[in-house]
Amino acid sequence: DTGVSQDPRHKITKRGQNVTFRCDPISEHNRLYWYRQTLGQGPEFLTYFQNEAQLEKSRLLSDRFSAERPKGSFSTLEIQRTEQGDSAMYLCASSRRGGNTGELFFGEGSRLTVL
Amino acid sequence: ILNVEQSPQSLHVQEGDSTNFTCSFPSSNFYALHWYRWETAKSPEALFVMTLNGDEKKKGRISATLNTKEGYSYLYIKGSQPEDSATYLCAYSKKAGGTSYGKLTFGQGTILTVHP
Repeated sequence: DTGVSQDPRHKITKRGQNVTFRCDPISEHNRLYWYRQTLGQGPEFLTYFQNEAQLEKSRLLSDRFSAERPKGSFSTLEIQRTEQGDSAMYLCASSRRGGNTGELFFGEGSRLTVL
Repeated sequence: ILNVEQSPQSLHVQEGDSTNFTCSFPSSNFYALHWYRWETAKSPEALFVMTLNGDEKKKGRISATLNTKEGYSYLYIKGSQPEDSATYLCAYSKKAGGTSYGKLTFGQGTILTVHP
């Protein structure tokens, strides 16, 4: 069990650029989540996949955000035309269906800074 | 209570002190209450997941209680050590069709600093 891994860990970009984050969940976990944490706040739910199906998407995700999980393995989160307000820590988590009342296993996060 | 609220926002204690934090959450449609510890530059790590009113869980020097009827949970740390310094997050999940999944609503966290 290698844990949840995220890449890159840090990304600095200029406003208007596109960025993509990758998450590799724990291999036997079929559920995958993206959360966003801004300074002084707790993580906020963005979206949820069960296998390859995106089952829920928060209203926080504008049209500039898209997430995929092809083949139900790794996931990507893309932000198009970044804005300064997108600066945040993007956390990925995974869990096993039916496992331990929904305990999440988080990655270390991808910190985005938009200049 | 409509959201998850944690208090205090931050706490400084001396090594050896015992301390506790509070988490308030909506009591309606409750499914589970989670506590996570998040150390700087690491990933958030689950401490406890509790579902039943009156639940008490313990892991080493850390314990937690749950009151689902009034919508609060306490986290206790006995004999704090510098390595306990971290942000402690609580989160709750609602019932969704009789079960739940990992859509958690988090509080803003309590930042604990334990001074040697």
